[in-house]
Amino acid sequence: NAGVTQTPKFQVLKTGQSMTLQCAQDMNHNSMYWYRQDPGMGLRLIYYSASEGTTDKGEVPNGYNVSRLNKREFSLRLESAAPSQTSVYFCASSEANRHEAFFGQGTRLTVV
Amino acid sequence: GQQVMQIPQYQHVQEGEDFTTYCNSSTTLSNIQWYKQRPGGHPVFLIQLVKSGEVKKQKRLTFQFGEAKKNSSLHITATQTTDVGTYFCAGHPSGGYQKVTFGIGTKLQVIP
Repeated sequence: NAGVTQTPKFQVLKTGQSMTLQCAQDMNHNSMYWYRQDPGMGLRLIYYSASEGTTDKGEVPNGYNVSRLNKREFSLRLESAAPSQTSVYFCASSEANRHEAFFGQGTRLTVV
Repeated sequence: GQQVMQIPQYQHVQEGEDFTTYCNSSTTLSNIQWYKQRPGGHPVFLIQLVKSGEVKKQKRLTFQFGEAKKNSSLHITATQTTDVGTYFCAGHPSGGYQKVTFGIGTKLQVIP
């Protein structure tokens, strides 16, 4: 049982480049989330998807877009990367809101 | 918006000493969850508290939820080196579909 799988694990981008972070879960969860983690800031919600076909902004959505491709997959896209987007990105899923969240291994992104 | 304050941000203890981290929310919570993140790892769910005044124990870990459902604590008795990591609380506000807010975490270092 893989749980939540994120790809890639590491990525270096140049300012202005675009990329998509992939996330898939095999627990049949309805809700999925993207967080970023920065030193001294904790985990901040970028976007979430309460169910297949719906997405909504979190605390820090600027510069990002998401797609809930199906129930399993939730991708995060950076259209034009900026150094301020250097961070560790975590995807998570849960059965529903207010339920325990299962996190992926994270993607360490550096924008130079 | 909702804020979840967590203190202390860092804590160094000698192995065998006790450790406590505290979370305080600016709003009443539906529930609060606790997660542990090992260095270089991802957050892992520990427990969820739902009821006012609830106390739960997991071996050496004791979790409390305040009577007003606005604060919580995690206490570790007789710390071990395996307790090293960052402990996060995550608060779910009451009413409707509300987004979870994570505390900034308490980084615990245990000195052998």
